[in-house]
Amino acid sequence: DADVTQTPRNRITKTGKRIMLECSQTKGHDRMYWYRQDPGLGLRLIYYSFDVKDINKGEISDGYSVSRQAQAKFSLSLESAIPNQTALYFCATSGPPQETQYFGPGTRLLVL
Amino acid sequence: TQLLEQSPQFLSIQEGENLTVYCNSSSVFSSLQWYRQEPGEGPVLLVTVVTGGEVKKLKRLTFQFGDARKDSSLHITAAQPGDTGLYLCAGAGAGSYQLTFGKGTKLSVIP
Repeated sequence: DADVTQTPRNRITKTGKRIMLECSQTKGHDRMYWYRQDPGLGLRLIYYSFDVKDINKGEISDGYSVSRQAQAKFSLSLESAIPNQTALYFCATSGPPQETQYFGPGTRLLVL
Repeated sequence: TQLLEQSPQFLSIQEGENLTVYCNSSSVFSSLQWYRQEPGEGPVLLVTVVTGGEVKKLKRLTFQFGDARKDSSLHITAAQPGDTGLYLCAGAGAGSYQLTFGKGTKLSVIP
């Protein structure tokens, strides 16, 4: 079984809709991250959480919110989706000793 | 803000050729990681380098961390079609768990 799972894998939605992307991990790590990936722009950090009670904004948090429901679960919400949020979204987790980030398989989101 | 510049952005080579990918910054990083990403999947760690001047080898891949810990390179010897993918470098600042990613080098190895 995969260490980091993301649901859904693909999603098409319309402008203005609220959607949630979910992430679960079995690594037992405290730290979790949400990134988006766009062609030519690499991976950009949206939000990160160092433990259940700690949530921090990343480089591009506007238009997004997150919830850390448990050590193993970290969800990303788009309150009112817009077309420029069309992207590939990755969840990741990291832990000691070297803080290697383990990525999920990604969610491909299309906002029409 | 720490930035990592990767070059080249795209690379298309014949099977058997050698290649080098570069990752440069004006900032100092406490560690630098290289990831490889295949289509439809998330990035997967190849190596972490933490000491200035460090060289690590992973079969045909050689990774080097610059003496000043501001740059890194990935050299592939005798590239194979299975090496095709997106290579990403990522740096961590001192005392930070967050990574700053480069924009990636998309490698295509033609049989």
